[in-house]
Amino acid sequence: SQQGEEDPQALSIQEGENATMNCSYKTSINNLQWYRQNSGRGLVHLILIRSNEREKHSGRLRVTLDTSKKSSSLLITASRAADTASYFCATGPDSNYQLIWGAGTKLIIKP
Amino acid sequence: DTAVSQTPKYLVTQMGNDKSIKCEQNLGHDTMYWYKQDSKKFLKIMFSYNNKELIINETVPNRFSPKSPDKAHLNLHINSLELGDSAVYFCASSQEGRALGNGYTFGSGTRLTVV
Repeated sequence: SQQGEEDPQALSIQEGENATMNCSYKTSINNLQWYRQNSGRGLVHLILIRSNEREKHSGRLRVTLDTSKKSSSLLITASRAADTASYFCATGPDSNYQLIWGAGTKLIIKP
Repeated sequence: DTAVSQTPKYLVTQMGNDKSIKCEQNLGHDTMYWYKQDSKKFLKIMFSYNNKELIINETVPNRFSPKSPDKAHLNLHINSLELGDSAVYFCASSQEGRALGNGYTFGSGTRLTVV
């Protein structure tokens, strides 16, 4: 079942700009994860944030989590053409095994 | 040195045939998964095995049968293929509990086309 809903469904920005994607979910979670999928490839894990964390950074990525609003955002700063991909959020309600996935945001970075 | 490898990468077959997709992970993970991604990019969990034991079996037709000979392998066999089975199938693995921060590691996918 789909729990996470990414917003927007598609985003097109100029190279160098920042890209922000949002994810909302319905039930309580243990953790929330973001993945990237390049066209024709498998998903790659980007970052995991636990329910007791509010913000996490990894390189040009910044993830925030607001459990009161059941939402998360992924910010990619100084975007590059190579960031063009689909981005998925997945929530882990308890253990690691049962991730529930959103439908993804398609990000296009224009050179 | 591929972490999660699945074969074949492409599979084109006729309706009614039986086919298998193989998956192997060399990460020492204890949990493996099969996902189906449709043309709209929705990811749907099909099966999950933890240490060779089936722990998730979502509502998929019983024409789909997973087999895990050991915790490093999870194969997917599909009988009597139908047009609606056309999709990309992803294998993934994870380590439950510790190392949770590494999330899932996915294979590169098998694009199945049933004609």
